[in-house]
Amino acid sequence: LAKTTQPISMDSYEGQEVNITCSHNNIATNDYITWYQQFPSQGPRFIIQGYKTKVTNEVASLFIPADRKSSTLSLPRVSLSDTAVYYCLVGDRLPQTGANNLFFGTGTRLTVIP
Amino acid sequence: DAGVIQSPRHEVTEMGQEVTLRCKPISGHDYLFWYRQTMMRGLELLIYFNNNVPIDDSGMPEDRFSAKMPNASFSTLKIQPSEPRDSAVYFCASKTDRGGEKLFFGSGTQLSVL
Repeated sequence: LAKTTQPISMDSYEGQEVNITCSHNNIATNDYITWYQQFPSQGPRFIIQGYKTKVTNEVASLFIPADRKSSTLSLPRVSLSDTAVYYCLVGDRLPQTGANNLFFGTGTRLTVIP
Repeated sequence: DAGVIQSPRHEVTEMGQEVTLRCKPISGHDYLFWYRQTMMRGLELLIYFNNNVPIDDSGMPEDRFSAKMPNASFSTLKIQPSEPRDSAVYFCASKTDRGGEKLFFGSGTQLSVL
């Protein structure tokens, strides 16, 4: 059973800020929210992880509202090289995490247009 | 660190043949995962190990699939006999016990069963 819902695809022009929202209505208290990026012919790559409020790193920002039922990945000033599939995962950090916590789903295909 | 290493990069075989995919996780990582990716199903978790012990193999599609992890630095995914519907990209990933949901993926094995 999928725990997250994301748009199938998005387009953006170069230089724009891109926000991809993920719904996770059934998120549990212990669950963290993690985003991955996948380029063609490569394995997914970790982007960012958070639990609540806002997390920022050198690549992206992650915004999580108080109810944690959704999250938004924000990519500042995208370039053509940001064209990829972006996955949102929800899962807890306990060692015996179940398989569902590492379910990638179909992700959001972002296309950056020149 | 060389990252997660998978071999072969590409495998073409005929239906009915045995296929063995190999993975070397990042040194020191406690968890190893096998995923399969197709256009129709996206990324599916097949099985994962913790400290060389299989924890959850509920994603393994059939008895034709088997996975082993004889030691901390090596794992295999075997398909016997192979079928055309097994054609996919197979990814191996690893993570530490303290890494939350931060998985490190290999480059994958592109399997084609004719």
